[in-house]
Amino acid sequence: NAGVMQNPRHLVRRRGQEARLRCSPMKGHSHVYWYRQLPEEGLKFMVYLQKENIIDESGMPKERFSAEFPKEGPSILRIQQVVRGDSAAYFCASSPARLAGRQGLVETQYFGPGTRLLVL
Amino acid sequence: DAKTTQPTSMDCAEGRAANLPCNHSTISGNEYVYWYRQIHSQGPQYIIHGLKNNETNEMASLIITEDRKSSTLILPHATLRDTAVYYCIAFNAGNNRKLIWGLGTSLGVNP
Repeated sequence: NAGVMQNPRHLVRRRGQEARLRCSPMKGHSHVYWYRQLPEEGLKFMVYLQKENIIDESGMPKERFSAEFPKEGPSILRIQQVVRGDSAAYFCASSPARLAGRQGLVETQYFGPGTRLLVL
Repeated sequence: DAKTTQPTSMDCAEGRAANLPCNHSTISGNEYVYWYRQIHSQGPQYIIHGLKNNETNEMASLIITEDRKSSTLILPHATLRDTAVYYCIAFNAGNNRKLIWGLGTSLGVNP
């Protein structure tokens, strides 16, 4: 049972280029979340998507950043015209649709290994 | 989402139990207590979660106080591979699905 997969694991871009980060959720998971972790900081929520829908993008910068989760294929986080401040680890998580478990509704998010973006 | 507070760092001897505390005094009734850990340079790893009752799985035990204002994660026999940053998060299972991360507790397991 493969976990959440992200690629590439490392990405180097020059200022002004575009970065495309991919995330394949766990099998059977229809919800995807993106988080960013700056050096020496905790993770920060960016965006929450379901298939073909952005549910919450309140943590995503208004400019240059976009995310999608198409009907087929992985979720993509795109950063246009990257700047040095975009250098960070970007983590994707996935969860199943809301399930009723022993403790009530539960939606555990499972994380991928991350993509480390370095902007030169 | 409720804010949680954790000690910045802790040490534990290998083979002994590691007890990691977390305060969440403003937690609301529909918020779960989730624990994740992050081993250096890796993605966060889910450990355990609970609502009211104590929970145990193959990785750890979670003890939640009766008033739900604090909890303790217990790693029963810490190994060197348990060295990581441990995050306690109060998570609303409703429409707001953001995990709000603090700085966690850096656990050092010493041989």
